[in-house]
Amino acid sequence: QSVLTQPPSVSGAPGQRVTISCTGNNSNIGAGYDVHWYQQVPGTAPKLLIYGNSNRPSGVPDRFSGPKSGTSASLAITGLQAEDEADYYCQSYDSSLSGWVFGGGTKLTVL
Amino acid sequence: QVQLQESGPGLVKPSETLSLTCTVSGGSISSYYWSWIRQPAGKGLEWIGRIYTSGVTNCNPSLKSRVTMSVDTSKNHFSLKLSSVTAADTAVYYCARHYGAFDLWGQGTMVTVSS
Repeated sequence: QSVLTQPPSVSGAPGQRVTISCTGNNSNIGAGYDVHWYQQVPGTAPKLLIYGNSNRPSGVPDRFSGPKSGTSASLAITGLQAEDEADYYCQSYDSSLSGWVFGGGTKLTVL
Repeated sequence: QVQLQESGPGLVKPSETLSLTCTVSGGSISSYYWSWIRQPAGKGLEWIGRIYTSGVTNCNPSLKSRVTMSVDTSKNHFSLKLSSVTAADTAVYYCARHYGAFDLWGQGTMVTVSS
């Protein structure tokens, strides 16, 4: 069981907005450690999508955003496109485990 | 641009040692942390450990007793050894640059533990 909890799956129609939650505790997100998000198309390596809670690397569309609040963070995707269908992982640091941890991943299906 | 490439045996026998190397091309390995991350088939990501170019390491406590990492700046590569492997260590192993987030990833290499 992952230290960071994500819903196993979410879905949405093209053009819609979806959010993926990432719930932690006071040893990780709540302690102020940054949250990062990754997109993984099946069969490929994860790709950094959001870093430092809400920053997008060069080349990532502004349809992706990542607010953080308290012990949770969210990834919001607006204007859903078929190419967004992938697995999404949140990641942070956990002081009680003394290491970097990932959420269990969320599968996004574009209907 | 900077690229990472994992290499090593795809099949390791139980109780033996898994050895992987990650070669960094298109840029220097120096002054960064470099991590190993693995993913069993159909499952999530697990951070294994990281190494700085000075040789300083941090490891996942659950794997620490079995993990050895090294770096060779002259060859621009870093390595992972995981000892006493079992079937539970079967996974795709990724190397990644650890700069705040894991901002660059290798394509991954599948390692199967089986006799």
